[in-house]
Amino acid sequence: DADVTQTPRNRITKTGKRIMLECSQTKGHDRMYWYRQDPGLGLRLIYYSFDVKDINKGEISDGYSVSRQAQAKFSLSLESAIPNQTALYFCATSDPGQAGNEQYFGPGTRLTVT
Amino acid sequence: AQSVSQHNHHVILSEAASLELGCNYSYGGTVNLFWYVQYPGQHLQLLLKYFSGDPLVKGIKGFEAEFIKSKFSFNLRKPSVQWSDTAEYFCAVTGPGGSYIPTFGRGTSLIVHP
Repeated sequence: DADVTQTPRNRITKTGKRIMLECSQTKGHDRMYWYRQDPGLGLRLIYYSFDVKDINKGEISDGYSVSRQAQAKFSLSLESAIPNQTALYFCATSDPGQAGNEQYFGPGTRLTVT
Repeated sequence: AQSVSQHNHHVILSEAASLELGCNYSYGGTVNLFWYVQYPGQHLQLLLKYFSGDPLVKGIKGFEAEFIKSKFSFNLRKPSVQWSDTAEYFCAVTGPGGSYIPTFGRGTSLIVHP
């Protein structure tokens, strides 16, 4: 079984709809992250959480919100989706005890906003 | 703030050709450096990493990278590429100045023709 899972894997939605992307991990890591990937722009950090009570904005948090329901679960919400939020979204985890903060990625969610 | 530049956005090679992908970072302190790979339709996974010690690090599938501190570079190399190396490659850096939050480069798309 995959250590980091994301649901859904693909989603098409309309402008203005509320969308939630979910991430679960069985790695036991405290740290979790949400990134978006756009062609030519690489990965950009949306939000990150170092533990259940800690939520931090990343580089591009506008239009997004997150919820850390438990150590193993970290959800990303788009309150009112817009077309330029069409992207590939990745969840990742890391272990603070591991040097360098290596990232462990989920399979990604491809979101299309029409 | 730290930043990462990947100079080659698209690289096309024939099998058995040698590969070198450039990565430069801007951060004056101690850094940890990573190369991640994303095969078509798959999630990102670690290719190799540098924390300290020998500046020439070896990763999976015959890849290696050399950390040159004076040039702020961490270039990825492979002496002879295979069709299965077709993927997107991301360089990333973490450091204490950014609380070890990764900064990713924009990625290099490598296509290897059989």
